[in-house]
Amino acid sequence: SQQGEEDPQALSIQEGENATMNCSYKTSINNLQWYRQNSGRGLVHLILIRSNEREKHSGRLRVTLDTSKKSSSLLITASRAADTASYFCATALLGGSTLGRLYFGRGTQLTVWP
Amino acid sequence: ETGVTQSPTHLIKTRGQQVTLRCSSQSGHNTVSWYQQALGQGPQFIFQYYREEENGRGNFPPRFSGLQFPNYSSELNVNALELDDSALYLCASSRGRGGDGNTIYFGEGSWLTVV
Repeated sequence: SQQGEEDPQALSIQEGENATMNCSYKTSINNLQWYRQNSGRGLVHLILIRSNEREKHSGRLRVTLDTSKKSSSLLITASRAADTASYFCATALLGGSTLGRLYFGRGTQLTVWP
Repeated sequence: ETGVTQSPTHLIKTRGQQVTLRCSSQSGHNTVSWYQQALGQGPQFIFQYYREEENGRGNFPPRFSGLQFPNYSSELNVNALELDDSALYLCASSRGRGGDGNTIYFGEGSWLTVV
Protein backbone atom coordinates (compact mmCIF):
# COMPACT_ATOMS: atom_id res chain seq x y z
CA SER A 1 0.00 0.00 0.00
CA GLN A 2 1.07 3.56 -0.65
CA GLN A 3 2.67 5.47 2.21
CA GLY A 4 1.48 8.74 0.72
CA GLU A 5 -1.68 9.52 -1.18
CA GLU A 6 -2.51 12.76 -2.95
CA ASP A 7 -5.99 14.15 -3.24
CA PRO A 8 -7.62 14.97 -5.56
CA GLN A 9 -6.32 12.70 -8.32
CA ALA A 10 -7.10 15.40 -10.87
CA LEU A 11 -7.74 19.14 -10.57
CA SER A 12 -8.78 21.51 -13.34
CA ILE A 13 -8.81 25.28 -12.81
CA GLN A 14 -8.59 28.58 -14.69
CA GLU A 15 -5.50 30.76 -14.80
CA GLY A 16 -5.35 33.10 -11.84
CA GLU A 17 -7.15 30.75 -9.49
CA ASN A 18 -5.50 29.01 -6.55
CA ALA A 19 -4.84 25.27 -6.59
CA THR A 20 -4.76 23.20 -3.43
CA MET A 21 -3.52 19.63 -3.32
CA ASN A 22 -3.51 17.41 -0.27
CA CYS A 23 -1.34 14.53 0.82
CA SER A 24 -1.98 11.99 3.54
CA TYR A 25 0.49 9.47 4.88
CA LYS A 26 0.47 6.57 7.27
CA THR A 27 3.58 6.45 9.45
CA SER A 28 5.73 9.03 11.23
CA ILE A 29 8.07 10.93 8.99
CA ASN A 30 11.38 12.76 9.09
CA ASN A 31 10.39 15.11 6.29
CA LEU A 32 8.02 15.50 3.38
CA GLN A 33 8.98 16.76 -0.07
CA TRP A 34 6.77 17.99 -2.89
CA TYR A 35 7.75 17.39 -6.49
CA ARG A 36 6.41 18.43 -9.86
CA GLN A 37 6.55 16.34 -13.03
CA ASN A 38 5.75 17.54 -16.51
CA SER A 39 4.45 14.82 -18.78
CA GLY A 40 7.09 12.16 -19.38
CA ARG A 41 9.84 14.18 -17.72
CA GLY A 42 11.85 13.96 -14.51
CA LEU A 43 10.82 15.18 -11.08
CA VAL A 44 11.50 18.77 -10.10
CA HIS A 45 11.91 19.43 -6.39
CA LEU A 46 9.58 22.15 -5.07
CA ILE A 47 9.74 22.26 -1.28
CA LEU A 48 11.01 20.17 1.64
CA ILE A 49 9.27 20.52 5.00
CA ARG A 50 10.66 18.88 8.12
CA SER A 51 8.53 17.14 10.70
CA ASN A 52 9.08 19.95 13.22
CA GLU A 53 7.91 22.62 10.76
CA ARG A 54 4.30 23.60 10.15
CA GLU A 55 4.45 25.87 7.11
CA LYS A 56 6.89 26.89 4.39
CA HIS A 57 6.70 29.30 1.50
CA SER A 58 8.54 29.50 -1.78
CA GLY A 59 7.36 32.09 -4.27
CA ARG A 60 3.76 31.22 -5.17
CA LEU A 61 3.94 27.94 -3.25
CA ARG A 62 2.79 27.38 0.31
CA VAL A 63 3.15 24.02 2.03
CA THR A 64 1.66 23.08 5.37
CA LEU A 65 2.30 20.01 7.48
CA ASP A 66 0.08 18.62 10.24
CA THR A 67 1.86 15.67 11.82
CA SER A 68 -1.04 14.97 14.19
CA LYS A 69 -3.30 14.36 11.19
CA LYS A 70 -0.48 12.91 9.07
CA SER A 71 -1.30 15.26 6.26
CA SER A 72 0.22 18.01 4.14
CA SER A 73 -1.12 20.48 1.62
CA LEU A 74 0.42 22.31 -1.31
CA LEU A 75 -1.14 25.62 -2.35
CA ILE A 76 -0.23 27.25 -5.64
CA THR A 77 -1.50 30.81 -5.78
CA ALA A 78 -2.36 32.75 -8.94
CA SER A 79 -1.89 29.67 -11.10
CA ARG A 80 -0.58 29.85 -14.66
CA ALA A 81 -0.97 27.55 -17.65
CA ALA A 82 2.71 26.63 -17.17
CA ASP A 83 1.83 25.11 -13.78
CA THR A 84 0.05 22.27 -15.60
CA ALA A 85 1.81 19.11 -14.41
CA SER A 86 1.56 16.20 -11.99
CA TYR A 87 2.37 16.98 -8.38
CA PHE A 88 3.68 14.36 -5.96
CA CYS A 89 4.28 14.33 -2.26
CA ALA A 90 7.08 12.10 -1.05
CA THR A 91 7.71 11.13 2.53
CA ALA A 92 11.03 10.24 4.13
CA LEU A 93 10.59 8.04 7.18
CA LEU A 94 12.37 8.33 10.49
CA GLY A 95 15.26 6.03 9.80
CA GLY A 96 16.49 2.50 10.19
CA SER A 97 16.37 0.40 7.07
CA THR A 98 14.21 2.99 5.29
CA LEU A 99 16.63 5.90 5.73
CA GLY A 100 17.04 7.82 2.51
CA ARG A 101 14.09 6.22 0.78
CA LEU A 102 11.22 8.35 -0.48
CA TYR A 103 7.67 7.03 -0.60
CA PHE A 104 5.48 8.54 -3.31
CA GLY A 105 1.76 8.63 -3.88
CA ARG A 106 0.13 8.47 -7.31
CA GLY A 107 0.10 12.24 -7.67
CA THR A 108 -2.39 14.96 -8.51
CA GLN A 109 -2.73 15.92 -12.16
CA LEU A 110 -3.22 19.69 -12.28
CA THR A 111 -4.53 21.32 -15.45
CA VAL A 112 -4.60 25.11 -15.64
CA TRP A 113 -6.66 26.53 -18.51
CA PRO A 114 -5.70 29.88 -20.10
CA GLU B 1 18.51 21.89 -14.13
CA THR B 2 19.07 19.50 -11.23
CA GLY B 3 22.63 18.50 -12.14
CA VAL B 4 21.60 14.85 -12.35
CA THR B 5 22.07 13.40 -15.82
CA GLN B 6 20.82 10.08 -17.12
CA SER B 7 21.44 8.08 -20.27
CA PRO B 8 20.03 6.89 -22.51
CA THR B 9 16.81 8.91 -22.57
CA HIS B 10 14.83 6.31 -24.47
CA LEU B 11 15.45 2.70 -25.40
CA ILE B 12 13.57 -0.33 -26.63
CA LYS B 13 14.56 -3.84 -25.62
CA THR B 14 13.20 -7.31 -26.28
CA ARG B 15 11.88 -9.54 -23.51
CA GLY B 16 14.71 -11.61 -22.02
CA GLN B 17 17.42 -9.11 -22.88
CA GLN B 18 19.55 -7.14 -20.43
CA VAL B 19 19.77 -3.36 -20.06
CA THR B 20 22.15 -0.92 -18.36
CA LEU B 21 21.07 2.58 -17.44
CA ARG B 22 23.54 5.25 -16.32
CA CYS B 23 23.40 8.20 -13.98
CA SER B 24 25.77 11.02 -13.08
CA SER B 25 24.94 12.58 -9.75
CA GLN B 26 25.05 16.23 -8.85
CA SER B 27 28.48 17.50 -7.88
CA GLY B 28 29.17 16.90 -4.19
CA HIS B 29 26.48 14.27 -3.81
CA ASN B 30 27.58 10.87 -2.50
CA THR B 31 24.22 9.10 -2.55
CA VAL B 32 22.34 7.80 -5.57
CA SER B 33 18.92 6.16 -5.58
CA TRP B 34 16.99 4.53 -8.40
CA TYR B 35 13.23 4.59 -8.83
CA GLN B 36 10.86 2.91 -11.27
CA GLN B 37 7.78 4.81 -12.39
CA ALA B 38 5.15 2.91 -14.34
CA LEU B 39 2.66 4.88 -16.41
CA GLY B 40 0.12 6.65 -14.23
CA GLN B 41 1.86 5.68 -10.99
CA GLY B 42 4.20 7.34 -8.54
CA PRO B 43 7.88 6.40 -8.45
CA GLN B 44 8.78 3.22 -6.58
CA PHE B 45 12.12 2.88 -4.78
CA ILE B 46 14.45 0.24 -6.26
CA PHE B 47 17.63 0.72 -4.24
CA GLN B 48 20.12 3.26 -2.98
CA TYR B 49 23.91 3.46 -3.04
CA TYR B 50 25.84 5.42 -0.47
CA ARG B 51 29.61 5.72 -0.87
CA GLU B 52 29.66 2.75 -3.29
CA GLU B 53 27.71 0.39 -0.99
CA GLU B 54 24.08 -0.68 -1.41
CA ASN B 55 22.17 1.03 1.37
CA GLY B 56 18.61 -0.16 1.18
CA ARG B 57 16.51 -1.98 -1.36
CA GLY B 58 12.84 -1.90 -2.28
CA ASN B 59 10.61 -4.76 -3.31
CA PHE B 60 12.39 -5.61 -6.56
CA PRO B 61 13.80 -9.01 -7.60
CA PRO B 62 17.56 -9.73 -7.73
CA ARG B 63 17.63 -9.30 -11.50
CA PHE B 64 17.62 -5.59 -10.70
CA SER B 65 21.18 -4.75 -9.65
CA GLY B 66 23.34 -1.69 -9.46
CA LEU B 67 26.74 -0.18 -8.98
CA GLN B 68 28.12 3.07 -7.70
CA PHE B 69 31.56 4.20 -8.83
CA PRO B 70 34.22 6.17 -6.91
CA ASN B 71 33.08 9.37 -8.62
CA TYR B 72 29.56 8.57 -7.28
CA SER B 73 28.05 7.96 -10.70
CA SER B 74 25.88 4.88 -10.89
CA GLU B 75 24.46 2.15 -13.09
CA LEU B 76 21.20 0.24 -12.94
CA ASN B 77 21.25 -3.19 -14.57
CA VAL B 78 18.17 -5.25 -15.30
CA ASN B 79 18.53 -8.82 -16.50
CA ALA B 80 15.97 -11.08 -18.15
CA LEU B 81 13.70 -8.19 -19.06
CA GLU B 82 9.96 -8.67 -18.72
CA LEU B 83 7.16 -6.70 -20.34
CA ASP B 84 6.23 -5.22 -16.93
CA ASP B 85 9.68 -3.65 -16.69
CA SER B 86 8.53 -1.06 -19.21
CA ALA B 87 8.65 2.20 -17.25
CA LEU B 88 10.46 5.47 -16.63
CA TYR B 89 13.60 4.84 -14.56
CA LEU B 90 14.60 7.78 -12.44
CA CYS B 91 17.92 8.41 -10.78
CA ALA B 92 18.11 10.67 -7.74
CA SER B 93 21.10 12.08 -5.92
CA SER B 94 21.59 13.73 -2.57
CA ARG B 95 24.25 14.78 -0.12
CA GLY B 96 23.93 12.13 2.53
CA ARG B 97 21.22 9.53 2.51
CA GLY B 98 18.33 11.93 2.03
CA GLY B 99 16.08 10.84 4.82
CA ASP B 100 17.83 13.16 7.22
CA GLY B 101 16.48 16.28 5.58
CA ASN B 102 18.69 16.68 2.53
CA THR B 103 16.91 17.58 -0.66
CA ILE B 104 16.83 14.75 -3.18
CA TYR B 105 17.29 15.79 -6.82
CA PHE B 106 16.04 13.73 -9.75
CA GLY B 107 17.24 13.36 -13.30
CA GLU B 108 15.05 13.42 -16.40
CA GLY B 109 14.82 9.65 -16.46
CA SER B 110 15.33 6.85 -18.95
CA TRP B 111 12.25 5.53 -20.74
CA LEU B 112 12.51 1.76 -21.17
CA THR B 113 10.10 -0.10 -23.41
CA VAL B 114 10.21 -3.90 -23.41
CA VAL B 115 8.57 -5.60 -26.38
